[in-house]
Amino acid sequence: ETVMTQSPATLSVSPGDRATLSCRASRPINNYLAWYQQKPGQSPRLLISGVSTRATGVPARFSGSGSGTEFTLTISSLQSEDFAVYYCQQYSNWPLTFGGGTKVEIK
Amino acid sequence: EVQLLESGGDLVQPGGSLRLSCAASGFTFDNYGIGWVRQAPGKGLEWVSFISGSGSSTDYSDSVKGRFIISRDNSKHTLYLTMNSLKPEDTAVYYCAKDAPAGVGGFDYWGQGAQVTVSS
Repeated sequence: ETVMTQSPATLSVSPGDRATLSCRASRPINNYLAWYQQKPGQSPRLLISGVSTRATGVPARFSGSGSGTEFTLTISSLQSEDFAVYYCQQYSNWPLTFGGGTKVEIK
Repeated sequence: EVQLLESGGDLVQPGGSLRLSCAASGFTFDNYGIGWVRQAPGKGLEWVSFISGSGSSTDYSDSVKGRFIISRDNSKHTLYLTMNSLKPEDTAVYYCAKDAPAGVGGFDYWGQGAQVTVSS
């Protein structure tokens, strides 16, 4: 099983600031990596797939980068609606696996 | 507009069975694989199972293999998850999620979730 490890568990950020979230895979995943956003009481929403391709309707302030086993989600200027939990997921190997999540909270 | 609507969640005793349904609309149903992902209370996301668009290929997480069965009826645009020998640790919100188009990756649409509680 490919273990996905996200850090930090919680990130305290002021509105307007940049947020950088990390995701590490236990083995190379051929850039088959997605990021999701989940707000309280809501279903997850796909933000990014293939490491860096934004899903339809996702604002440009969200960007993904990385390769091999190390990946990053960057939110360039946090808006109030961006405070949520973010999950990475690999779809290179079965079983599909998610990271434990990073909660982005208001500082 | 793509929509996924789960139903069938309930309170069930340990050892019991339950079948979840996921009614889909807004896309060519049999062209896409669909998965089940669950979320235990206060926890993260856990992939449970996946079925290909034709239904010919399925896969399961180790935690449910041998107890859960995923299936689909393409004529009814509906996905199912039959859960047997339920355990308290199966308590979670269960989401059905549509596979993104080829070359995109990830799950691009999710249902609102169905609550399954396993308790005596």
